[in-house]
Amino acid sequence: ILNVEQSPQSLHVQEGDSTNFTCSFPSSNFYALHWYRWETAKSPEALFVMTLNGDEKKKGRISATLNTKEGYSYLYIKGSQPEDSATYLCAPSLGTSYGKLTFGQGTILTVHP
Amino acid sequence: DTAVSQTPKYLVTQMGNDKSIKCEQNLGHDTMYWYKQDSKKFLKIMFSYNNKELIINETVPNRFSPKSPDKAHLNLHINSLELGDSAVYFCASSALGRSYEQYFGPGTRLTVT
Repeated sequence: ILNVEQSPQSLHVQEGDSTNFTCSFPSSNFYALHWYRWETAKSPEALFVMTLNGDEKKKGRISATLNTKEGYSYLYIKGSQPEDSATYLCAPSLGTSYGKLTFGQGTILTVHP
Repeated sequence: DTAVSQTPKYLVTQMGNDKSIKCEQNLGHDTMYWYKQDSKKFLKIMFSYNNKELIINETVPNRFSPKSPDKAHLNLHINSLELGDSAVYFCASSALGRSYEQYFGPGTRLTVT
């Protein structure tokens, strides 16, 4: 059983706050780490895919970092907006199976105006 | 233009029935997936096909049988439905490889009564 943990489970912030959350995963047999954004009543949407230790990716106000040696990734949102409210899922690809992702339970972010 | 589509969106049926969920993608991807969102909201991989060949087959009851007539379609057939099969099922597609983001369909909510 692969343990993928995300923290916190939920987070409430005010508009304009910056926030971050964590994804931890087994560091052995690591291949890639995916982050997805999942809005209510929609389907998960890819944010980033990272593969190298030390990788940093950025898309607008959202960025992510990756530490494959210790098995964690951080997702940062700068200046949160109400439209950032969603569940943020991380999913490492571990082992040899192509495309097999093991999803964490997600961090539910609510941004209050 | 819908990238990954699923039909039906909602499916209500009785125990013991056989039902199918269809998935189609127009992204030109060669790999497709079925996920189940369980009662704790985790997304769990069930199957994956690459160019009509099964490449991921998780521990799923053999009442579930995927079928891929071509690389743009992946259908899920479920025999002898049970109450515990009630869930949301998501189809996804990607290019082959673990560093490629997956594109998800809108989900099919299956309710077994």
